[in-house]
Amino acid sequence: SAVISQKPSRDICQRGTSLTIQCQVDSQVTMMFWYRQQPGQSLTLIATANQGSEATYESGFVIDKFPISRPNLTFSTLTVSNMSPEDSSIYLCSVESHRVPTQYFGPGTRLLVL
Amino acid sequence: GNSVTQMEGPVTLSEEAFLTINCTYTATGYPSLFWYVQYPGEGLQLLLKATKADDKGSNKGFEATYRKETTSFHLEKGSVQVSDSAVYFCALTGSSNTGKLIFGQGTTLQVKP
Repeated sequence: SAVISQKPSRDICQRGTSLTIQCQVDSQVTMMFWYRQQPGQSLTLIATANQGSEATYESGFVIDKFPISRPNLTFSTLTVSNMSPEDSSIYLCSVESHRVPTQYFGPGTRLLVL
Repeated sequence: GNSVTQMEGPVTLSEEAFLTINCTYTATGYPSLFWYVQYPGEGLQLLLKATKADDKGSNKGFEATYRKETTSFHLEKGSVQVSDSAVYFCALTGSSNTGKLIFGQGTTLQVKP
């Protein structure tokens, strides 16, 4: 399986600020996804990061709040904009190759907003 | 729409006990089914998967069988260890091939020595 890294691994931020999370994969992948895991909860898909085009957002998530980039087949970023304490969560990226239709997850970014 | 329901936790067992975590799903078509595990402070790791009816996924002593007639994918292990203490998530991807994973609510397993 692919080796996936995320930066930062954790951060504490002030409300009203923005944080950009990076996801790097050691091989080219077909699909990249961003999930949110709120404290004590399950995972919810935020969006699918599309290479060279705008991300596809799930219901309840909008580009202004969670802008996403995917400039190539191995890298993506998620920005959490104008943060509030409700954004405190673990943010995870996952990847999938068309050769192996299974998602593998990065280690996550633990975000606390004060 | 598609959904996954897991038994509520926490599940507390003694070491070497038998484990079952129930998972049932609702989906159109023929979803693929997964179990992921999240150890404390870590991300998700794929534990096992099954892509068609009657398939059995297995890994590290865990196994689960894709039962289409009962729409279930229960996780089992014959003898748990303290190191198995984690949160277990059942998940599915629909047959529409969008790649979207739908997760159950997660079941916390605590194994005591």
